[in-house]
Amino acid sequence: ILNVEQSPQSLHVQEGDSTNFTCSFPSSNFYALHWYRWETAKSPEALFVMTLNGDEKKKGRISATLNTKEGYSYLYIKGSQPEDSATYLCAFEAGNQFYFGTGTSLTVIP
Amino acid sequence: EAQVTQNPRYLITVTGKKLTVTCSQNMNHEYMSWYRQDPGLGLRQIYYSMNVEVTDKGDVPEGYKVSRKEKRNFPLILESPSPNQTSLYFCASRLLAGGRSEQFFGPGTRLTVL
Repeated sequence: ILNVEQSPQSLHVQEGDSTNFTCSFPSSNFYALHWYRWETAKSPEALFVMTLNGDEKKKGRISATLNTKEGYSYLYIKGSQPEDSATYLCAFEAGNQFYFGTGTSLTVIP
Repeated sequence: EAQVTQNPRYLITVTGKKLTVTCSQNMNHEYMSWYRQDPGLGLRQIYYSMNVEVTDKGDVPEGYKVSRKEKRNFPLILESPSPNQTSLYFCASRLLAGGRSEQFFGPGTRLTVL
C-alpha cells in the first residue's frame, strides 16, 4: 500500500484570500498525479492530471505544480470564493492503480 | 450526455445476501474501476479493468468480485456481504489511449450491510 498524504486536513479562509494545499507521494514508480474537486453529495470531478516533473497547470483561479523528484504537488487557489468550498483530493497513479489521499476540506467564508 | 451511471444509489441489505451494484459508461472508455470511501480514509481501489475480460485487484479486493464482459459495463458483486463492507462505493472510467487521462466518477452507491 502506497502512502499519499495531504495537508492540511481542513482549512477555513475568508472570501478573497488565496490559499494552497500540499499532496505528498512516493517518488518512485510515478506515472501521474491527479487532483480532484469533491463537493458534498456529489462525485469527485477531475481538475488536473500531471505527469512531468516541473509541470504547472492552471484552470481559472486554480493552479497546480508538480515535483516528482521530491514527491510533492501543490494546489493553489487565488482569490477564494464561496463556491470553491469543497474537498480537494489528490491521487497518485502507479501503473494503472490509484492511491488517494484523504483530502483537504476547504471552507470559504463569505 | 457523457456519464457514468451506478445502480442502485442506496441499498440496505443483510449479512450474507448476495448483491450486485451495476456500473455503466457511455464514453467508450477502456478503463473502469471501483472504489470505496470510508470516513477518515481516502478512496481505496477495489478492482480495475483495462478492457473487456481483463480485470485486476486493487488495494482492497477481499470480499468482492467483478466482471467485464462488455466494454460499457463493470458490475461489482458481493457474494456474501458483511457489515465491514458498509461503505460509499464509486465506479469510475477513463480513456487509456493518448496517455494519462482523468477519471470520470459515477454518482456513488451508499451500501449498508446489517
